[in-house]
Amino acid sequence: GAGVSQSPRYKVAKRGQDVALRCDPISGHVSLFWYQQALGQGPEFLTYFQNEAQLDKSGLPSDRFFAERPEGSVSTLKIQRTQQEDSAVYLCASSADGGASSGANVLTFGAGSRLTVL
Amino acid sequence: AQSVAQPEDQVNVAEGNPLTVKCTYSVSGNPYLFWYVQYPNRGLQFLLKYITGDNLVKGSYGFEAEFNKSQTSFHLKKPSALVSDSALYFCAVRDPGSGGYQKVTFGTGTKLQVIP
Repeated sequence: GAGVSQSPRYKVAKRGQDVALRCDPISGHVSLFWYQQALGQGPEFLTYFQNEAQLDKSGLPSDRFFAERPEGSVSTLKIQRTQQEDSAVYLCASSADGGASSGANVLTFGAGSRLTVL
Repeated sequence: AQSVAQPEDQVNVAEGNPLTVKCTYSVSGNPYLFWYVQYPNRGLQFLLKYITGDNLVKGSYGFEAEFNKSQTSFHLKKPSALVSDSALYFCAVRDPGSGGYQKVTFGTGTKLQVIP
């Protein structure tokens, strides 16, 4: 597609529920990032994929967070047993290339998925 | 570890006046630096980047930024502000020496308010 598409745009979950957030990156983009943006804060890195390989998951806040990109295109961020502190906007971004040569590549962001945990 | 600081939570400027949004960074080597803008309920949009070369970088919508290695700064500037420039601005850094891929670290953001 023309841009990065995320769904759902808004999700309200009761504490303890599981949620799944989807990211559809720009076709052909190798790199895919997930960021968490709390209200009034900058995006915080969660995890990174190069094609289907998850190369860095150091930003995932707990083992309740899980991300996958099984075919190297669409990615899903899953949060199990949601807590109120998980309330945030989850941003997905993709870029054209991966590896050491990609440092200059610009990230294209989706509009985000706003999660509210009650 | 790489980091970026935006010391101002909010910047207010009158329409038509020049604007500056400040950013300083910390990396182990030579940085790749970026500015992104976020409008309400929208994702971040790329404005400009510095990789190498001329310290003054020009980007979208008339914005420019100046890379200053000695001061480790990358301030965003525009000669004449528009009301439509009102948004949240994020500075970001990539450390090319950080390994096989390029994690981007963002600042906390600066809200720009242009007053008519």
